[in-house]
Amino acid sequence: DTGVSQDPRHKITKRGQNVTFRCDPISEHNRLYWYRQTLGQGPEFLTYFQNEAQLEKSRLLSDRFSAERPKGSFSTLEIQRTEQGDSAMYLCASSHRQNTDTQYFGPGTRLTVL
Amino acid sequence: DAKTTQPPSMDCAEGRAANLPCNHSTISGNEYVYWYRQIHSQGPQYIIHGLKNNETNEMASLIITEDRKSSTLILPHATLRDTAVYYCIVSHAIYNQGGKLIFGQGTELSVKP
Repeated sequence: DTGVSQDPRHKITKRGQNVTFRCDPISEHNRLYWYRQTLGQGPEFLTYFQNEAQLEKSRLLSDRFSAERPKGSFSTLEIQRTEQGDSAMYLCASSHRQNTDTQYFGPGTRLTVL
Repeated sequence: DAKTTQPPSMDCAEGRAANLPCNHSTISGNEYVYWYRQIHSQGPQYIIHGLKNNETNEMASLIITEDRKSSTLILPHATLRDTAVYYCIVSHAIYNQGGKLIFGQGTELSVKP
């Protein structure tokens, strides 16, 4: 399968714990995006990378959130000191430089904070 | 980016055409219309996009009005597997501009046997 993959698919954690998610984009896609989706809502943009550079961050991305893409390939999204309001589906997408709005999404990581 | 307006839900009989409308009256000249869909518990899936001409691919057809203020996504022969939330998005498709997709609430399409 050469699509976008995300790991883990599900994560249950206790409030105050740190969690880290991984996203592997489609190879040769130089843009990588993170979105968050809560129940009944459309996905909301969090941040995106072009190669290893983080070009934009949403105001939704508080100081407790950090994303990296160290070698311009896979990316990680870390949430520190999780809160119950962080419970959501975290989606990763990638796109090719020549058509950045055609984004290919992974299956998402569902986070539940108890 | 221009905002879009879609009906919250629609029903369609299996085997019939599903016509999903979208209003984007504030679209600007260099903004494209994109359609994505999201089947329950999966990530969104790209369907089709267009600027001003009608477009067709193996999944769907996109009809954009001449004034570009609205569009219709057509699934010619809907199947049960087309049951999903369909998002109409207006966005720049220019490298180094845009980048993020702004999703609204979408239209929840239910295909019924």
